[in-house]
Amino acid sequence: EVQLVESGGGLIQPGGSLRLSCAASGSTVSSDHMSWVRQAPGKGLEWVSDIYGGGSTYYADSVKGRFTISRDNSKNTLYLQMNSLRAEDTAVYYCARGSRGGPLDYWGQGTLVTVSS
Amino acid sequence: DIQMTQSPSTLSASVGDRVTITCRASQSISSWLAWYQQKPGKAPKFLIYRASSLESGVPSRFSGSGSGTEFTLTISSLQPDDFATYYCQQYNSYPWTFGQGTKVEIK
Repeated sequence: EVQLVESGGGLIQPGGSLRLSCAASGSTVSSDHMSWVRQAPGKGLEWVSDIYGGGSTYYADSVKGRFTISRDNSKNTLYLQMNSLRAEDTAVYYCARGSRGGPLDYWGQGTLVTVSS
Repeated sequence: DIQMTQSPSTLSASVGDRVTITCRASQSISSWLAWYQQKPGKAPKFLIYRASSLESGVPSRFSGSGSGTEFTLTISSLQPDDFATYYCQQYNSYPWTFGQGTKVEIK
C-alpha cells in the first residue's frame, strides 16, 4: 500500500524559506508522477506543483520562481523548497501521487505552513 | 487557466437521499475530470477519474457523468459516512484547477 508522510512545516516569517519533505513507501518517487497541493485555512484545494518520472516539472503561477519541486531517489522522498514566503502561502501542504495521467490517488496527511511575523 | 465552478456550494440532505453535484469547466476538458471527498481535518480521498470511472474500493452508490464542460457527481442513496465536502478537478491542461467545493451537510 502507498503511504506518503509529509514533514517540515511550521511557523516562518514573511520572506523566509522552508523545505517540505514527503517520504514515500509503496510508491517510487523517481518514476511516479508526484504533486503538491495546498489548502489555506477554511478554503478549497489549490494545486501547487508536479514532477514526472522523466523530470518534467510544473508550477502554479502563484508560486513560480519561488518554489522548487525535487526528489531524492535514494531516499524515495519528494521535496518542496519554498522561498520568499508570503502570508498567502499559509496552508496545509499535501503531497500526492498521480495516476492514470493525472488524478491524485494517494495523499499524505498534510503539513501546516504558517507564514506570519 | 481553466476555471472550475461547482454548484451548489452547500447542499442539505438526509440519509437515503439522492444527491447530485454539478461541476462546470470554463472550456472543454474532454473527460479529464476527477472527483474527491474530503472530511474535516483529513486529506482528500480519490473517488472518480476520467469523469465516470470509479476508483477501486469506492462504493457503487457514487457515480460520475459528463464530458466537455459539464459534469455531475451523484450519490444514489446518501449514507452517514458521505457527509463531507466534494471537489472536482480538471487535469486536461496545466495549471490543474479544482472547483471551490460542495459541502454536503445533514438536513
